[in-house]
Amino acid sequence: KNEVEQSPQNLTAQEGEFITINCSYSVGISALHWLQQHPGGGIVSLFMLSSGKKKHGRLIATINIQEKHSSLHITASHPRDSAVYICAVLGDFGNEKLTFGTGTRLTIIP
Amino acid sequence: KAGVTQTPRYLIKTRGQQVTLSCSPISGHRSVSWYQQTPGQGLQFLFEYFSETQRNKGNFPGRFSGRQFSNSRSEMNVSTLELGDSALYLCASSLAENDLYGYTFGSGTRLTVV
Repeated sequence: KNEVEQSPQNLTAQEGEFITINCSYSVGISALHWLQQHPGGGIVSLFMLSSGKKKHGRLIATINIQEKHSSLHITASHPRDSAVYICAVLGDFGNEKLTFGTGTRLTIIP
Repeated sequence: KAGVTQTPRYLIKTRGQQVTLSCSPISGHRSVSWYQQTPGQGLQFLFEYFSETQRNKGNFPGRFSGRQFSNSRSEMNVSTLELGDSALYLCASSLAENDLYGYTFGSGTRLTVV
């Protein structure tokens, strides 16, 4: 079992739909990242969370430390949101390295 | 301000050769970490450097090595290249070694081993 599991692996939605991507992890963490990767490879860090909820524009990220679960939501989705979204956890003391989920490929259809 | 710069962007090497990739972090960032991304394994952590010292290492063979210079620039080296080393190699920089301030990724070096 992978330490970081994402779902779904692929998601296709119509423009304007509300999108949710989930991430579950099995190790102790000090922080969780949501990353966005566009074709060509460049990675952008969207959020870093250690508790609660963060919002940036149409993007919202939440984390439940007790349940070891995080979600990334996109409101009013747009074709430019099409990308691979990757969850990554930073291990806690003694394991301070990033472990990545396999990513969710999101396609938004106009 | 300038982002994280990785050079070269693309590289083709032959099996058995060695390769050196470079990463220049954002000015003021002292931590540099390296990652390998392949279609089969996804993103995997290689190693992290802070103040010229390797702080963490992933599960890669000794053919993969790295170093960090006093100006925080980092290089990674892969010796005796294998076909399976073909991948996108990404580096990321952060202010501190424990990531409390977040990572900024470079655009990556795409290595093809033939």
